[in-house]
Amino acid sequence: EPEVTQTPSHQVTQMGQEVILRCVPISNHLYFYWYRQILGQKVEFLVSFYNNEISEKSEIFDDQFSVERPDGSNFTLKIRSTKLEDSAMYFCATATVSYNEQFFGPGTRLTVL
Amino acid sequence: SQQGEEDPQALSIQEGENATMNCSYKTSINNLQWYRQNSGRGLVHLILIRSNEREKHSGRLRVTLDTSKKSSSLLITASRAADTASYFCATDAGGGSQGNLIFGKGTKLSVKP
Repeated sequence: EPEVTQTPSHQVTQMGQEVILRCVPISNHLYFYWYRQILGQKVEFLVSFYNNEISEKSEIFDDQFSVERPDGSNFTLKIRSTKLEDSAMYFCATATVSYNEQFFGPGTRLTVL
Repeated sequence: SQQGEEDPQALSIQEGENATMNCSYKTSINNLQWYRQNSGRGLVHLILIRSNEREKHSGRLRVTLDTSKKSSSLLITASRAADTASYFCATDAGGGSQGNLIFGKGTKLSVKP
């Protein structure tokens, strides 16, 4: 069964460093999302991406964040200068169309020291 | 305002019993989805119910949706120890959103063998 994959599974970084989280969507999916979950808290929407551009973003998704599909397959989330409060699980999700089921990857645990 | 709030926050039952979890939301929606999350792991999609549907079944899962009360319930019948996980409802933001999901805090289900 096709699945969303994410790399790395765990990333440890120093505050102020840049990180890139990678996602490989399910091949026929056209809508891509990033969510995050701070330990013990809700899953929060960050950004949606369709047709090579951002469709929607939340207040969390500030200028430190960016997304792109560099090679038509990977979907990446970049945090330019990480802060301690960016420590969280980051989930990529994809869907065939915007109001269908979203399939989530296993997540990347980001730890900012 | 909060969207997609589940209750109870925690539920402990014996194997073989049924588990019912409820979700309330505040704004109009296009669909509502239920997800399962095992501790520290990714989100597994369980079922999607559209706003024009009232009930949906998938295996041992039964989901109802009452748009007049802005509520949904997830019933797991004949529970198993492997059903132990957190369960989340997620709604879209309605209107012209691109399907980004708004999650509740979840119900932590513990099924004792």
